[in-house]
Amino acid sequence: QKEVEQNSGPLSVPEGAIASLNCTYSDRVSQSFFWYRQYSGKSPELIMSIYSNGDKEDGRFTAQLNKASQYVSLLIRDSQPSDSATYLCAVIYTGGFKTIFGAGTRLFVKA
Amino acid sequence: DVKVTQSSRYLVKRTGEKVFLECVQDMDHENMFWYRQDPGLGLRLIYFSYDVKMKEKGDIPEGYSVSREKKERFSLILESASTNQTSMYLCASSYLRQINEKLFFGSGTQLSVL
Repeated sequence: QKEVEQNSGPLSVPEGAIASLNCTYSDRVSQSFFWYRQYSGKSPELIMSIYSNGDKEDGRFTAQLNKASQYVSLLIRDSQPSDSATYLCAVIYTGGFKTIFGAGTRLFVKA
Repeated sequence: DVKVTQSSRYLVKRTGEKVFLECVQDMDHENMFWYRQDPGLGLRLIYFSYDVKMKEKGDIPEGYSVSREKKERFSLILESASTNQTSMYLCASSYLRQINEKLFFGSGTQLSVL
C-alpha cells in the first residue's frame, strides 16, 4: 500500500511568520507531488505542484522536493489568518495516474 | 472555469437503501474520481474512470460500484448503505491521463446513513 504521511497538527503560527508543512511518501518511484488547500466546509483546491528535486516558488508559497529522502514540504511566508486551512499533500505514482492523498495538516494563523 | 457539480450537498439515507451519488463535469475531462473524506483519514480513493464505460477500483471499493455511461457523468452507487458509509463524498475530474494532472473537485456530498 503506497502511503503519504503528514503530521495532522494543528500547526499554529503567528501572523507574519513562516509556516512549514511536511510530508513523506513511501514509494521511491513517485512522479508528481501536489499541495492542495482545503478550507473548512469546502473542497480541496490546488495551490502548488512540483515534479523535480529542489524548490519551486509561487508568491508566498514555496514547495520543496527531496526524492532521495522521499520528502516534500510547503513553506508559507508572511502567513496570514486567511491561510488557516487544512493542507493536503498528494502524490501521483509512476505507472498510474490516480492521486493519493495524505490525511492533511491543519494550520492556524493567529492574528 | 471547470465546474464539477455534485447533485446533493446533504443526503440522509437508511441502512440497506440503494444510494446514488451523481457527479457531472463540464470541461470534457477524461478522468473522473470518487473519494471519501473522513476525519483523520484524509481523502481515500474509491473508484476512478479514465474513459466512458471504463472503471478501476481505488483503495477502498468494497460496498461501492460506479457507472460512467457518458463522458461528463460519473455516478457512485452504494448497493446497500451501511452506517460505516456515513462520510463526505468528493467527486473530482482531471483533463488527461498524465502524471501531472491536477484535480478539480466538486463541492461534496455529506451522506448520513441511519
